Amino acid sequence: GGIITQTPKFLIGQEGQKLTLKCQQNFNHDTMYWYRQDSGKGLRLIYYSITENDLQKGDLSEGYDASREKKSSFSLTVTSAQKNEMAVFLCASSQGVSNERLFFGHGTKLSVL
Amino acid sequence: GEQVEQLPSILRVQEGSSASINCSYEDSASNYFPWYKQEPGENPKLIIDIRSNMERKQIQELIVLLDKKAKRFSLHITDTQPGDSAMYFCAARDPGYQNFYFGKGTSLTVIP
Repeated sequence: GGIITQTPKFLIGQEGQKLTLKCQQNFNHDTMYWYRQDSGKGLRLIYYSITENDLQKGDLSEGYDASREKKSSFSLTVTSAQKNEMAVFLCASSQGVSNERLFFGHGTKLSVL
Repeated sequence: GEQVEQLPSILRVQEGSSASINCSYEDSASNYFPWYKQEPGENPKLIIDIRSNMERKQIQELIVLLDKKAKRFSLHITDTQPGDSAMYFCAARDPGYQNFYFGKGTSLTVIP
């Protein structure tokens, strides 16, 4: 079996700071996703990528950048952290069209002071 | 994008009884409907799914129903156990964009 590794597990930032979250998967999956999880709001899609160097915006892309440097890694950048922001960012991957099952990482918990 | 509504947001049931969670979606092109369970501090994990060519699927105590006409699908957990206590998310997949749209989640508590 494979695994999705997100780093860091906890991230504390300052207001206005640029912050980068990393995700690695060894499933050899084509598609990778970044979701934001807020209490009471479920999982909202920020960015996804269907292959290396591809980027597609989700509904929540404003304020974020992403980069699919290679097939196994997908990073997310918070361009300017908002004061008192607190959320969990979940990375996920799937094989693609033929296999829709999503596998999630354990998340990065962000707190902004 | 697709909108997925999920109800209830909070559900408390007695051990041994059934629990039902309902979801609705807007895009009739959505063709895949997974359910994820997330325990505290853990990542969401797929527990059961249903495709648009089916109306019912059962895996042990989990039953999912899909009504394409009404654009609704539901999860039923029969004979609930304390270990079923968790957050549950439904989702719908947009085949054109390979997106998954999630409901806001249901916090299920099974009371011993």
